[in-house]
Amino acid sequence: GAVVSQHPSWVICKSGTSVKIECRSLDFQATTMFWYRQFPKQSLMLMATSNEGSKATYEQGVEKDKFLINHASLTLSTLTVTSAHPEDSSFYICSASPPEGKADTQYFGPGTRLTVL
Amino acid sequence: AQKVTQAQTEISVVEKEDVTLDCVYETRDTTYYLFWYKQPPSGELVFLIRRNSFDEQNEISGRYSWNFQKSTSSFNFTITASQVVDSAVYFCALSVRGKSTFGDGTTLTVKP
Repeated sequence: GAVVSQHPSWVICKSGTSVKIECRSLDFQATTMFWYRQFPKQSLMLMATSNEGSKATYEQGVEKDKFLINHASLTLSTLTVTSAHPEDSSFYICSASPPEGKADTQYFGPGTRLTVL
Repeated sequence: AQKVTQAQTEISVVEKEDVTLDCVYETRDTTYYLFWYKQPPSGELVFLIRRNSFDEQNEISGRYSWNFQKSTSSFNFTITASQVVDSAVYFCALSVRGKSTFGDGTTLTVKP
C-alpha cells in the first residue's frame, strides 16, 4: 500500500519556539494532503487541507498564522507551529490522497508527537 | 455538516468474545465514503475498511465484519472471537468530497 512518512516522530521544544513537521508521500504523488491534530484520548480533528501549489484551506477555529502549511511539491507538505505554547502540545497526523485511485482514500502518516515545555 | 457518532466510549471484553462497535453518521450528501480505522497505542492509524454510499453489501474479512445500513445511517463493525491484540482505539470516519470527519472513537480492551 501507499506509504506516508512524517518527520520527526516526536519533538520537545521550549515555549515560544517554532517547530516544523514534514509529511512525505513516499511512493505516490499527493495532490492533496491533510493535517489533523489529536489531543490525548480525543478524536482526530482536521486542521487544514493542503493542495500542491496553492494556499491551504483552514478549518474554522484554526489560526493560519500560527499553523503555517506549505505544500511545495507533490510529495511534501510541511506544518510549522510558530511560537509554540504548551497548549499546542498534541499528536499531529498528516494524510495524503493520490490523484487517481480510490476516491476519498487517505493514507495516514505515523504522526508526530509535539511537547511544548 | 457531517457528523459521526460512536456512542460506545469504552468496551471491555474477555478474549474469544464477539464484540460490535457502533457507528452512526449524518450527512445530506448522497455520495460519501465510510471508513474504520484502528489506532493502537503507538498512535499510527491502521486502515481497516472503506465503503462507498452506493454499496450496502456487508463485508467479512477474517474475524472482522461490517454491517452497512443506509436506512439507519449505521456502519457497525464486529470482531469475532476477539484477541488481546485487538485492544486499541477504533475510529469510524465519514468522508464527503475528500473531507473526513471522525467519530470520537471507541476504546476496546480485550482481556486474556
